[in-house]
Amino acid sequence: EPEVTQTPSHQVTQMGQEVILRCVPISNHLYFYWYRQILGQKVEFLVSFYNNEISEKSEIFDDQFSVERPDGSNFTLKIRSTKLEDSAMYFCASIGYSTGELFFGEGSRLTVL
Amino acid sequence: SQQGEEDPQALSIQEGENATMNCSYKTSINNLQWYRQNSGRGLVHLILIRSNEREKHSGRLRVTLDTSKKSSSLLITASRAADTASYFCATDARGKLIFGQGTELSVKP
Repeated sequence: EPEVTQTPSHQVTQMGQEVILRCVPISNHLYFYWYRQILGQKVEFLVSFYNNEISEKSEIFDDQFSVERPDGSNFTLKIRSTKLEDSAMYFCASIGYSTGELFFGEGSRLTVL
Repeated sequence: SQQGEEDPQALSIQEGENATMNCSYKTSINNLQWYRQNSGRGLVHLILIRSNEREKHSGRLRVTLDTSKKSSSLLITASRAADTASYFCATDARGKLIFGQGTELSVKP
């Protein structure tokens, strides 16, 4: 069964460092998303991506965040200068069309020290 | 905000009992979805109900939707210990899903 894969599963970084989280969505999907979940809290929408551009982003997704799909398969989330409060699980998800079930990866746990 | 809010926040039942979780939301939606999350894992889609549907079944799951009250419920019948997880409703209005706080379900063997 096709699945969304994410790497790394866990990353520990120092405050102020840049972090890149990687995702390989399901191959024939068209819409891609990043969500985050701070420990014990709800899953929060960060950004959606379609046709090689951001289609929507939340207020969390400020100038420190960026996304790209550099090679047509990987979908990356970059945090330029990490803060303590960026510590969370980051989930990538994809769907084949705009209103349907999301397929989530297992997440990347980011710990900022 | 159109986010869903689940109720209760936590639910503890015995194996074999039914579990009911509720979700309320604020704005018009295209569909409402329920997801499950085991501790430390990703979210798994359970069921999607469209705004023109009132009830949907999938195995031991039954979902209802009342758009006039902007609410939905998820019923898990004959619960099992393996059903222990967090359950989230998510509303879709413009192609993105907004998740609620979730209900933490514990099923005791």
